[in-house]
Amino acid sequence: QKEVEQNSGPLSVPEGAIASLNCTYSDRGSQSFFWYRQYSGKSPELIMFIYSNGDKEDGRFTAQLNKASQYVSLLIRDSQPSDSATYLCAVAMDTGRRALTFGSGTRLQVQP
Amino acid sequence: DAGVIQSPRHEVTEMGQEVTLRCKPISGHDYLFWYRQTMMRGLELLIYFNNNVPIDDSGMPEDRFSAKMPNASFSTLKIQPSEPRDSAVYFCASSLSSTSFRFQETQYFGPGTRLLVL
Repeated sequence: QKEVEQNSGPLSVPEGAIASLNCTYSDRGSQSFFWYRQYSGKSPELIMFIYSNGDKEDGRFTAQLNKASQYVSLLIRDSQPSDSATYLCAVAMDTGRRALTFGSGTRLQVQP
Repeated sequence: DAGVIQSPRHEVTEMGQEVTLRCKPISGHDYLFWYRQTMMRGLELLIYFNNNVPIDDSGMPEDRFSAKMPNASFSTLKIQPSEPRDSAVYFCASSLSSTSFRFQETQYFGPGTRLLVL
């Protein structure tokens, strides 16, 4: 079992809809969770991070964390074609390592 | 700030040749990470440094790979000899440590080097 799991997709949603991206992780001691967006041929860029249970909102993006269920999600409201990209979930494990563990990413397609 | 700088952006080489990838982290950042991304394996950590010292190289695939950080503003990843299976995008990332919020440290990625080994 991978440490960080994501559905590879593609997840296809119509423009204006809510896109829901999910991520599960195996280490119960994981401390914080990051969502990166990666456009084709580009480098990952941070969208937001979350470390407390519950919701965290930033513009059209909402991250949701449930540590008991070892589950983190990203909601994108009013999806736009420009949101079409691969979304990477990354986890900071509860070890001395500073490195993040990344999921394989979910490809999102927003249809005009 | 210019962000993380990597060179070259593209590299095509033949099997057996030596390849050197370069990275300049964001000024003031004390952590530097080297990742490799492929379709099959996703984004994998190879090695990371703190204050120019290698901390964890457990992700380095084999002895053909080596990395150095001679000073705070420069790091290299070397592959010698290169093999076709090394073809991937290699990313360098940097971050600034926080004693108060260690788990909120954000990693900033460079544009990557696309390596093709023929």
